[in-house]
Amino acid sequence: EPEVTQTPSHQVTQMGQEVILRCVPISNHLYFYWYRQILGQKVEFLVSFYNNEISEKSEIFDDQFSVERPDGSNFTLKIRSTKLEDSAMYFCASTMEDVGTEQFFGPGTRLTVL
Amino acid sequence: GDSVTQMEGPVTLSEEAFLTINCTYTATGYPSLFWYVQYPGEGLQLLLKATKADDKGSNKGFEATYRKETTSFHLEKGSVQVSDSAVYFCALTITDTGRRALTFGSGTRLQVQP
Repeated sequence: EPEVTQTPSHQVTQMGQEVILRCVPISNHLYFYWYRQILGQKVEFLVSFYNNEISEKSEIFDDQFSVERPDGSNFTLKIRSTKLEDSAMYFCASTMEDVGTEQFFGPGTRLTVL
Repeated sequence: GDSVTQMEGPVTLSEEAFLTINCTYTATGYPSLFWYVQYPGEGLQLLLKATKADDKGSNKGFEATYRKETTSFHLEKGSVQVSDSAVYFCALTITDTGRRALTFGSGTRLQVQP
C-alpha cells in the first residue's frame, strides 16, 4: 500500500540554524501539506502546495518558512533560522485533487531546537 | 474562525466496554468532518468521515454521525479492544469554500486494558 514517508524521524538543531524536513508524498497525489504539533497541543495546519506553488497558508507560516518540490518526488519544509518555539512534530500529508478527500499523513519528524 | 473541541483524555476503558469520544465544532462554512487515529510511532490515519448533515461515517466498528443541529460528531464503538489504544483526533475542513486545510481538535488518548 502506498504511503507518505518522512525523513529524518528526529532532528536536533541549535537555535538559529536552518533545517530542512523532507517528505515523499504518494506518487499520484497532487496536493501536499505540512502540519505541526507542539507537544501537548493541537495539530496545526501550516501550508498546502499545488502545481508548484503555495495554495493556502496559515498565520504560523511566516517568512522563516518555505516549501519546495525540488525534483518531482520530494516535498520539503525549510525553516531558515530556528527558534525554540519551533520544536514540534512536523507532519507531511498528501491527497488527490478532490476537495474533502482523505489526506494521507506521514509518520512525522520530531524537531528539537536547543 | 473554525475550531474543534474534543473531550479531554486519557480515556481508560476495559476491553469490550462502550466508547464515546465527544467532538463539537464551530465552522464559518459548511464543514466535512473527520476522525483520524494515531497509533504509537505512526502517522495520522483516517478512521471515518462524513461530508453532510445526518451522514454516518463508519469503519472498523467505529461510528460517528454528523449532527448539524448540535454541531457535533461524536465517535462511538460498541466494544473496544486493546488494539484500539491510540490517540483519536476530530477534524474538519470547509469544503464549500474549496479550502483543504484540516482544523484539528486536541486529540483524545484512549487506553484499553485487557
